[in-house]
Amino acid sequence: KAGVTQTPRYLIKTRGQQVTLSCSPISGHRSVSWYQQTPGQGLQFLFEYFSETQRNKGNFPGRFSGRQFSNSRSEMNVSTLELGDSALYLCASSPEGRGLANTDTQYFGPGTRLTVL
Amino acid sequence: AQTVTQSQPEMSVQEAETVTLSCTYDTSENNYYLFWYKQPPSRQMILVIRQEAYKQQNATENRFSVNFQKAAKSFSLKISDSQLGDTAMYFCAFGLHRMDSNYQLIWGAGTKLIIKP
Repeated sequence: KAGVTQTPRYLIKTRGQQVTLSCSPISGHRSVSWYQQTPGQGLQFLFEYFSETQRNKGNFPGRFSGRQFSNSRSEMNVSTLELGDSALYLCASSPEGRGLANTDTQYFGPGTRLTVL
Repeated sequence: AQTVTQSQPEMSVQEAETVTLSCTYDTSENNYYLFWYKQPPSRQMILVIRQEAYKQQNATENRFSVNFQKAAKSFSLKISDSQLGDTAMYFCAFGLHRMDSNYQLIWGAGTKLIIKP
């Protein structure tokens, strides 16, 4: 099976712009989670989508949003970019993903490196 | 606010030795979950072990066990009889259900563990 793919791999934006990142999960996986990874903050959970519904959300401002399509592909959008949004954004898929009771293995994509100037 | 600290950026041990990875966290909550995840070079994020805070008994999974000290807010992972396949990044994570029924998942920065033959 093909792994989790994320596009684009690298992105440079300026403050105030918006950006959309895309994630294609492993075929058959219904849960997609998004994470932000920075050297200072480590890995931070953004949100999880399951069957086109946001099932769980981390502690990020409303500028961060996402959606999931019927084929389980997911997009993440960040509006009004700030310098602090520069990070590696990781997408992970799993078959079911049950939040804190999650015993699924999560499969991470290579990430999208976002730089905000 | 909740924080998770992994104070060991990198560790290496000989195969068959026992190694302990440290994790401390800070929270004022009483009911929460703690996790250890393993991320090998393949980028899968594999759940190693999970501990519910209300359980006093330390969780064990085969060669993996934890030393959960709730009062000290410490959650270390012990790997016995280490194997080459244990080489990976290990992340400690803290999970908390919020009032809005979402959950908050906070990750440590990770410890790179290298098992030497």
